[in-house]
Amino acid sequence: SQTIHQWPATLVQPVGSPLSLECTVEGTSNPNLYWYRQAAGRGLQLLFYSVGIGQISSEVPQNLSASRPQDRQFILSSKKLLLSDSGFYLCAWSVQDNQPQHFGDGTRLSIL
Amino acid sequence: GESVGLHLPTLSVQEGDNSIINCAYSNSASDYFIWYKQESGKGPQFIIDIRSNMDKRQGQRVTVLLNKTVKHLSLQIAATQPGDSAVYFCAEKKDGNKLVFGAGTILRVKS
Repeated sequence: SQTIHQWPATLVQPVGSPLSLECTVEGTSNPNLYWYRQAAGRGLQLLFYSVGIGQISSEVPQNLSASRPQDRQFILSSKKLLLSDSGFYLCAWSVQDNQPQHFGDGTRLSIL
Repeated sequence: GESVGLHLPTLSVQEGDNSIINCAYSNSASDYFIWYKQESGKGPQFIIDIRSNMDKRQGQRVTVLLNKTVKHLSLQIAATQPGDSAVYFCAEKKDGNKLVFGAGTILRVKS
């Protein structure tokens, strides 16, 4: 069966520091991959999605970037974190269009 | 712009009763919808989906109804249990496999 892993589960970072969040999927090949951010008590906002290695689409302008160095690895990065980058970051995968996205358990990021 | 929203932010039901969570969508061209359940501190968990060529789909204790005429989606949970307490999100497919999520409804089950 397919599984998705995100780490770390929680992270506290100072303003201006870099960020790297990792997501890996097991048990499937060539998945679509997604990064979302969820503000407290709110819905999910799509940040990036990828349909293949090296293919990244950005949904909103922001201080973050994403990369997909391997088929089942998706990384969310920042060179300099802002206070507004705080939130709950979720990675998801899907097989193809019109199939459900399956989520990891997220990373709670706090910026001090 | 296009959006997916929920009528009620919080729903309280008695254990054993049926729950109905509603969702309105604005894009009449949307052809795929999903319901997710999110427990505190966890990622959303897939519950059930439905395509626009269907009006109703049933799972274990859950039923999703789609009314394309009024652009309305609902999730029915039969015999609601304390473990059903969570935030429920509807999502609408937009542009390929991108999903637009509603704000969520909190379901509280009273014992």
